[in-house]
Amino acid sequence: AQTVTQSQPEMSVQEAETVTLSCTYDTSENNYYLFWYKQPPSRQMILVIRQEAYKQQNATENRFSVNFQKAAKSFSLKISDSQLGDTAMYFCAFMNPHNNNDMRFGAGTRLTVKP
Amino acid sequence: EPEVTQTPSHQVTQMGQEVILRCVPISNHLYFYWYRQILGQKVEFLVSFYNNEISEKSEIFDDQFSVERPDGSNFTLKIRSTKLEDSAMYFCASSSMGYGYTFGSGTRLTVV
Repeated sequence: AQTVTQSQPEMSVQEAETVTLSCTYDTSENNYYLFWYKQPPSRQMILVIRQEAYKQQNATENRFSVNFQKAAKSFSLKISDSQLGDTAMYFCAFMNPHNNNDMRFGAGTRLTVKP
Repeated sequence: EPEVTQTPSHQVTQMGQEVILRCVPISNHLYFYWYRQILGQKVEFLVSFYNNEISEKSEIFDDQFSVERPDGSNFTLKIRSTKLEDSAMYFCASSSMGYGYTFGSGTRLTVV
């Protein structure tokens, strides 16, 4: 079974600064997908960014980018120019397309952006 | 942008009562899921559903839980006899192959 580990329960960053959230995972699959989801206080789950394991290029979405290290099974999220609205729980997730698209989540990192 | 719709947004029920949580997935998605999140904790997988049957379920998804897709659009989660520990946020999600899940906004279930 795949496991996803987020080793930072809480982090904080000053507004406009850059922060990196860590995620590692364990799998024997070669083809899979990785995601970061944001959960603000509203508790809505919002997709932030998606990475396909067979693509070497790191995914980028505006101020959000990832550092995907397939050999190390590492998938960190970098948030640049942090904004107050980035304050949320962030969940790393692993999806196995060979197992009914089932997705498993890490325990989450609570990010606080300070003014 | 297509949405996954969940109703109700908040449900309060007495212990031992049956509840049905409703979801309308995105119409062209093929995979459907229920997750739950006890307040402040991680998002836990309950069940996945594909081709009109359960494809996988977790240990949490015991005989008190069931899912249905009765009419090709709704996807429901039933808890037969609720317990206090069933109080949680329940998320429905749907996906197409490899594109990540689209989550509904959740149903907050409170068992009293």
